Amino acid sequence: DGGITQSPKYLFRKEGQNVTLSCEQNLNHDAMYWYRQDPGQGLRLIYYSQIVNDFQKGDIAEGYSVSREKKESFPLTVTSAQKNPTAFYLCATNQAGEKNIQYFGAGTRLSVL
Amino acid sequence: GNSVTQMEGPVTLSEEAFLTINCTYTATGYPSLFWYVQYPGEGLQLLLKATKADDKGSNKGFEATYRKETTSFHLEKGSVQVSDSAVYFCALSSSGGYQKVTFGIGTKLQVIP
Repeated sequence: DGGITQSPKYLFRKEGQNVTLSCEQNLNHDAMYWYRQDPGQGLRLIYYSQIVNDFQKGDIAEGYSVSREKKESFPLTVTSAQKNPTAFYLCATNQAGEKNIQYFGAGTRLSVL
Repeated sequence: GNSVTQMEGPVTLSEEAFLTINCTYTATGYPSLFWYVQYPGEGLQLLLKATKADDKGSNKGFEATYRKETTSFHLEKGSVQVSDSAVYFCALSSSGGYQKVTFGIGTKLQVIP
């Protein structure tokens, strides 16, 4: 079944802890993105990657890190430096030439204990 | 920079009512325009798109026309159903180079029987 898989669906973080959100895709898309969704603020871009082993900061990258070692995978780490991590996190992909239509995973809801 | 403006809502309608959700944008050049829909607890799905002025995107009874003269892309549906209850996001992708997608804040639609 083709698509984008995000895991876990729910995640809880303790103070001072780093947590990693998984995003895997089998669409063979080149570009992958991480967004943060907060009520009343829509989607804000955290990081994006257009090719393997390369990624760029988005609008709100502070307190987050990513890696892109494989085309299929783009994990997001929420570090202890991110003081307000509670949000819904969405991973998306895009294939060049599709007028930047984005395909989204089902999301991970992160809460702080 | 690019921006998208839409009302947050919620918009509450009775079943079979006419729906309009306004979207206006600011962008340089000739952006592509999109409407995405998000059902509760899920990621976003592309609803419709338009890539040039005067194009009309349509899907599942929803329509939107790309109006360059008024920089608008309003979403309409003639008769809403309870199953249309969701959050609707207007978005744009600028032309040329890396096509970053800019999202509006999302408009929550509630349809009551």
